[in-house]
Amino acid sequence: GQNIDQPTEMTATEGAIVQINCTYQTSGFNGLFWYQQHAGEAPTFLSYNVLDGLEEKGRFSSFLSRSKGYSYLLLKELQMKDSASYLCAVMDSNYQLIWGAGTKLIIKP
Amino acid sequence: GAVVSQHPSWVICKSGTSVKIECRSLDFQATTMFWYRQFPKQSLMLMATSNEGSKATYEQGVEKDKFLINHASLTLSTLTVTSAHPEDSSFYICSARIQGEYSPLHFGNGTRLTVT
Repeated sequence: GQNIDQPTEMTATEGAIVQINCTYQTSGFNGLFWYQQHAGEAPTFLSYNVLDGLEEKGRFSSFLSRSKGYSYLLLKELQMKDSASYLCAVMDSNYQLIWGAGTKLIIKP
Repeated sequence: GAVVSQHPSWVICKSGTSVKIECRSLDFQATTMFWYRQFPKQSLMLMATSNEGSKATYEQGVEKDKFLINHASLTLSTLTVTSAHPEDSSFYICSARIQGEYSPLHFGNGTRLTVT
């Protein structure tokens, strides 16, 4: 079966750095997406990785290792507004998105 | 670019009635749109893939006669929840890609449906 694993919840301090991990087992691989979802709102696109390595976009970076079936989202200089759920999604061989359950990130002052 | 507009944002209806949710791609054409449902504290669940000019493809366990999907144009898809019941209360979200399978999904703002 297809499976995406990410921690249910994480807590971090304002101004700090946090890494949210995602491991996956899917039927084929056509890229991995990270989305941010604030409570009661729809997800918004953060990043896309299809090749191994690190993609940096401002305070957010995303890393992929296809051989390990592993990705992480790195958030730097955390702000209170970063409190949200972060969803990992993998596109399988049929170009269907397989979604993780999301990681709820709580930022404390 | 890549704005997806969804309407209404929230709706309350009585059990047994039908509710229509609209999803529009405002600045691009979408031959394919996706309808998701999300229950509180749960992951997004794909309900169906809406294809312009043809029948929608429903995921296993989703009743196609209950969740009617119409994709009449390249910029509009509608989801109608027929004979709604309280267990249909959920957050419904549509999404679309600009072009190509590798493009990210862009989501509408979602519709919170409450059936009383």
